[in-house]
Amino acid sequence: SQQGEEDPQALSIQEGENATMNCSYKTSINNLQWYRQNSGRGLVHLILIRSNEREKHSGRLRVTLDTSKKSSSLLITASRAADTASYFCATVFNAGNNRKLIWGLGTSLAVNP
Amino acid sequence: DAGVTQSPTHLIKTRGQQVTLRCSPKSGHDTVSWYQQALGQGPQFIFQYYEEEERQRGNFPDRFSGHQFPNYSSELNVNALLLGDSALYLCASSDYRGRQPQHFGDGTRLSIL
Repeated sequence: SQQGEEDPQALSIQEGENATMNCSYKTSINNLQWYRQNSGRGLVHLILIRSNEREKHSGRLRVTLDTSKKSSSLLITASRAADTASYFCATVFNAGNNRKLIWGLGTSLAVNP
Repeated sequence: DAGVTQSPTHLIKTRGQQVTLRCSPKSGHDTVSWYQQALGQGPQFIFQYYEEEERQRGNFPDRFSGHQFPNYSSELNVNALLLGDSALYLCASSDYRGRQPQHFGDGTRLSIL
């Protein structure tokens, strides 16, 4: 399977702490995307990082990409209760004439007030 | 600017029945992808439509079929429903080359009794 894998599967922290989630994948990619999903809702795009980029920031989010290790991390700084959600990474890679997007299993983050 | 809209939001069916789910993509998007998400799992890719044709397909049986209309909206049909088809069905729209992130609707929650 070429599915990405996130770890940890579940993470519980206190408000104000930082949360780090990791994603590993198996094949060369075009880009890697992080999404957030609140319970029972659709996924919301957070950050896209291209294969030639190493780090991107968006507000309290920081994403790193290490293509040599085929891994990415998502850091949420100064977490808030509203950050409680599931976080998924998705890798985009070439498959013939198509681009395929493969999803990981997600990290469930609980931020306790 | 309306995002991705899906209907209905919830649906209850019995085994053996057939169901049709609908999706309108975000304005400016020409590609629609469908996903099945079981409780506590990541999204599983069903298929993708572009220019009214199925372009990619995941590991789903022929009971799952779809259609894309000239206005880019799409339908997902599932025949001979099984208990295991109970899930959140997500529609995502994007540009065909996958250079931009996908935008998701909030999904249709399908329950099979």
